[in-house]
Amino acid sequence: NAGVTQTPKFQVLKTGQSMTLQCAQDMNHEYMSWYRQDPGMGLRLIHYSVGAGITDQGEVPNGYNVSRSTTEDFPLRLLSAAPSQTSVYFCASSYVQGNAEAFFGQGTRLTVV
Amino acid sequence: GESVGLHLPTLSVQEGDNSIINCAYSNSASDYFIWYKQESGKGPQFIIDIRSNMDKRQGQRVTVLLNKTVKHLSLQIAATQPGDSAVYFCAENNAGNMLTFGGGTRLMVKP
Repeated sequence: NAGVTQTPKFQVLKTGQSMTLQCAQDMNHEYMSWYRQDPGMGLRLIHYSVGAGITDQGEVPNGYNVSRSTTEDFPLRLLSAAPSQTSVYFCASSYVQGNAEAFFGQGTRLTVV
Repeated sequence: GESVGLHLPTLSVQEGDNSIINCAYSNSASDYFIWYKQESGKGPQFIIDIRSNMDKRQGQRVTVLLNKTVKHLSLQIAATQPGDSAVYFCAENNAGNMLTFGGGTRLMVKP
C-alpha cells in the first residue's frame, strides 16, 4: 500500500512551457485534491474531485487544469507555466469530502524560470 | 515538500514540557477542523480533528480545544519530544469540499 504518490519530486520549467504533475492513490479514495504551498502561507486548494469524472475549482484554480478519468489518478496540468506558479504542490486523498483525515503525497517542488 | 517560510511563527519548548499551538479561524460557519503536522521534506500528516459540536477531543499525547465564541483552536502536545519538531497547520472546513489552511507554526523542541 503506497498511499499517495506524486511525480516528479522536483521540476524546473521555463516560462510558457506546459507540464503535468502526476498523482496516484491506491486506497480507493473518492475524494482527491491539489494544493499549492508557498513560503509563509498555508496550503491553498487549486482543484478537487469527489469522484471519477467529477472535478471542481478550489481557491486558486487559474492556470491549472485537472481531470479524473479513474478513481486512482488525478493529474494536474499547467498549460503555460508562469513564475508565479513556482511553489510546492501537494496532492491529497481521503475517504470523505472535506479532506477528513486526508493523506498527502510527498510534494512536487516546481520552479518556473 | 519544504514548508519553511521566512516569517513562520515559532514556538520553542524544552523536551518533556507541554506545547500549546494556537490558531484563529475565520469562518463562524466552519463545522470541522483538523490539525496537521508537516516535517521537513514531507507532506502534511493528519494529527487530530474535531467537529463544531465538540469543545475538546483527545488523542494520544495530543488534545484539540475548540472555542467557537472567539473562533479559536488550539493543539496541546503533552511531554513534547524531539520527534514533535515540525510545522503545524490548522485547517477549517467551511464549504463542504474545501479546507482552508492557516499559515502554520513551527515547533522546535530543545533537548
